[in-house]
Amino acid sequence: RKEVEQDPGPFNVPEGATVAFNCTYSNSASQSFFWYRQDCRKEPKLLMSVYSSGNEDGRFTAQLNRASQYISLLIRDSKLSDSATYLCVVNANYQLIWGAGTKLIIKP
Amino acid sequence: SQTIHQWPATLVQPVGSPLSLECTVEGTSNPNLYWYRQAAGRGLQLLFYSVGIGQISSEVPQNLSASRPQDRQFILSSKKLLLSDSGFYLCAWSRQGPGELFFGEGSRLTVL
Repeated sequence: RKEVEQDPGPFNVPEGATVAFNCTYSNSASQSFFWYRQDCRKEPKLLMSVYSSGNEDGRFTAQLNRASQYISLLIRDSKLSDSATYLCVVNANYQLIWGAGTKLIIKP
Repeated sequence: SQTIHQWPATLVQPVGSPLSLECTVEGTSNPNLYWYRQAAGRGLQLLFYSVGIGQISSEVPQNLSASRPQDRQFILSSKKLLLSDSGFYLCAWSRQGPGELFFGEGSRLTVL
């Protein structure tokens, strides 16, 4: 089992729709969690950290479920510019473990 | 504000040739520095990280090496490239690790 797993997609979603995807992790002692966004052939950029109580940043909501060991990202009112690959990152034992990413395509 | 640059952006090298990728950070001091490789369909793989000048930790045994000759300079090298070294190489820095990482634009290496 991979340490951090994501559905590779692609998720094809119409503009304006809501989309959510999960990321599961295997190390129950993981300490912190992040979502990064990576555009095609570009470097990853931090989208948001994931807090235990869940957190929201505009149209984006991140949640953590420690019992089931997954984090989620929900995007509301999706825009064409949201098309990208979303990388899940888990800090376990002071090491960042990266998922392979979920590709999201927003269609007009 | 802090910036990070790495170069070259793209390179095509024959098997057995040497490699040198450079990365510099501006606007901060004593950053943690990282070299990652990203292969298609896989998560970022940490190759090296450094918490200070001359301090290099290697995460994966390979024919690559890293050096940090100055506080804000990080270099990835190889004496002889292999086909399997092809990939997207990313330099990154953080204030204190591991937390938010700031990445350079990446270097796409093709070994033929």
